[in-house]
Amino acid sequence: KNEVEQSPQNLTAQEGEFITINCSYSVGISALHWLQQHPGGGIVSLFMLSSGKKKHGRLIATINIQEKHSSLHITASHPRDSAVYICAVREGVDMRFGAGTRLTVKP
Amino acid sequence: NAGVTQTPKFQVLKTGQSMTLQCAQDMNHEYMSWYRQDPGMGLRLIHYSVGAGITDQGEVPNGYNVSRSTTEDFPLRLLSAAPSQTSVYFCATTGGPGNTIYFGEGSWLTVV
Repeated sequence: KNEVEQSPQNLTAQEGEFITINCSYSVGISALHWLQQHPGGGIVSLFMLSSGKKKHGRLIATINIQEKHSSLHITASHPRDSAVYICAVREGVDMRFGAGTRLTVKP
Repeated sequence: NAGVTQTPKFQVLKTGQSMTLQCAQDMNHEYMSWYRQDPGMGLRLIHYSVGAGITDQGEVPNGYNVSRSTTEDFPLRLLSAAPSQTSVYFCATTGGPGNTIYFGEGSWLTVV
């Protein structure tokens, strides 16, 4: 069983919809990262969380340490949000990654 | 500000050949790492380094070597390429405010 599980694996939405991507993990962590991978392959960091909630533009990330769960929300989704979203947890110097959620936003 | 520079972007190797993937960062971060990304799987850690002269194995180190002679550079060597090493490879570094992770653009490697 993967230590980091994401759901859903694939998600298709209409432009303007509210998106939620979930991440559950089974190990003790010092931090959780949300990453975005564009079709060209480049990976960028969206958030690093150790507790609570962070917001950047239309993106909101939350984490519940007790439940070992994090969510990434996208408000007013847009076709340019189409990408693979990856959850990663930091355990000491090591990082473990989820398999990713492929989001497609249709105009 | 280049961030993390990774080369080559694409490479085709024959089974048994060796090659080196280059990675350089200009952010003066101590921590650098190499990952491979395979379809349907999350990124998996190959090797990592917490500073010049210090390297350690990750989850999938077999068939790969690394060295860290300077803070900036962290090359990944494939000793004798095998088709199972066909993958996309990412170099990354972590540091700075918020301990952000920065990735190179990726190297697409095919072993035939």
